[in-house]
Amino acid sequence: KAGVTQTPRYLIKTRGQQVTLSCSPISGHRSVSWYQQTPGQGLQFLFEYFSETQRNKGNFPGRFSGRQFSNSRSEMNVSTLELGDSALYLCASSLAQIYNEQFFGPGTRLTVL
Amino acid sequence: AQSVTQPDIHITVSEGASLELRCNYSYGATPYLFWYVQSPGQGLQLLLKYFSGDTLVQGIKGFEAEFKRSQSSFNLRKPSVHWSDAAEYFCAVGALTGNQFYFGTGTSLTVIP
Repeated sequence: KAGVTQTPRYLIKTRGQQVTLSCSPISGHRSVSWYQQTPGQGLQFLFEYFSETQRNKGNFPGRFSGRQFSNSRSEMNVSTLELGDSALYLCASSLAQIYNEQFFGPGTRLTVL
Repeated sequence: AQSVTQPDIHITVSEGASLELRCNYSYGATPYLFWYVQSPGQGLQLLLKYFSGDTLVQGIKGFEAEFKRSQSSFNLRKPSVHWSDAAEYFCAVGALTGNQFYFGTGTSLTVIP
């Protein structure tokens, strides 16, 4: 079974631009979560989608948004990029609403210049 | 509010020595606890998890963790470390609502020959 895939793996953008990251979960997984990982901050929860609905949201500004499609694939968008948005963005998928193991993708490394 | 503290930012051990990584959590109810490992350039891989029952949990790669409610701790242990264990280790607590997880800031493990 294929794992969680994220595209692109690396991105370089400039301040003020916007970016869209994509995540394809493991087949059959309906829950997709997004995390921002930065040195010293660890992983910070952005949001979680289940069946195309945002179920949980972390404490991030409205510039960060996401969506999930009917095939469970998810995208996250960051508008008006800031230098501080440089980070590794991780996507994780799991089976359903109760506690199942989260499977993480390799991440997208975003650099904002 | 839920939170996770990993007091050790970096630990160095000799190959073959025992290892203990500390994790303290703050959560109002029975916690769902996890340990993940992240190798350089990789996503996170689940080592073990605790939902209920036996407080000593066995995981992959020879790791184990013990849940101590009285100390709000979930420390990760391994009796004999291998050079391939060098990585970043994250402790996480799961919230009851959906699949929202709170991660610690991680402990970086260096293994010296």
